Amino acid sequence: DTAVSQTPKYLVTQMGNDKSIKCEQNLGHDTMYWYKQDSKKFLKIMFSYNNKELIINETVPNRFSPKSPDKAHLNLHINSLELGDSAVYFCASSQEYGPDTQYFGPGTRLTVL
Amino acid sequence: GNSVTQMEGPVTLSEEAFLTINCTYTATGYPSLFWYVQYPGEGLQLLLKATKADDKGSNKGFEATYRKETTSFHLEKGSVQVSDSAVYFCALLHQGGSEKLVFGKGTKLTVNP
Repeated sequence: DTAVSQTPKYLVTQMGNDKSIKCEQNLGHDTMYWYKQDSKKFLKIMFSYNNKELIINETVPNRFSPKSPDKAHLNLHINSLELGDSAVYFCASSQEYGPDTQYFGPGTRLTVL
Repeated sequence: GNSVTQMEGPVTLSEEAFLTINCTYTATGYPSLFWYVQYPGEGLQLLLKATKADDKGSNKGFEATYRKETTSFHLEKGSVQVSDSAVYFCALLHQGGSEKLVFGKGTKLTVNP
């Protein structure tokens, strides 16, 4: 069984559209994250949720809005997509908020045309 | 702030060659250190980790030792295989502060038969 899953795997859309990426973990973890990997493979954290509460928001534009309906899910909604949003987005989870190993999903490649 | 610097790639080796990928960090306190690997088209997988000075993490023939005196966590493998071709990321997780993984820029390794 997949521990951290994301859908869709690929997402191609036009500028200005609104899209969502879903993430689910079946590890029973309390903390979930979203990371962005740019075209040069550089990874940077965007958000972190612990027990459905926002913990980290790394100066991400307001067009990005994470939503955590329960501890096992952390979805990422993006409004008014821009060309610069094209990237691979990774979801991750860890047992608790702290110095704990994070487990990553397979990634969603978003292409904005 | 916390940061990770790792050697720039790409690195190209022949099978059975010795591998070293350098990683140094800047952080206050005592971070946990990680190596993650990203195989082509896949998400990140934890390769190994160390949580305190002089700890050695090891997995799949890879090793890295947490050196506080040189603030380093170099990745080594004695004999690489074609299947080790991937992008390797060094990362730190600062304990007791903002609990987020900070990644290096990644090093692409290609192993030729």
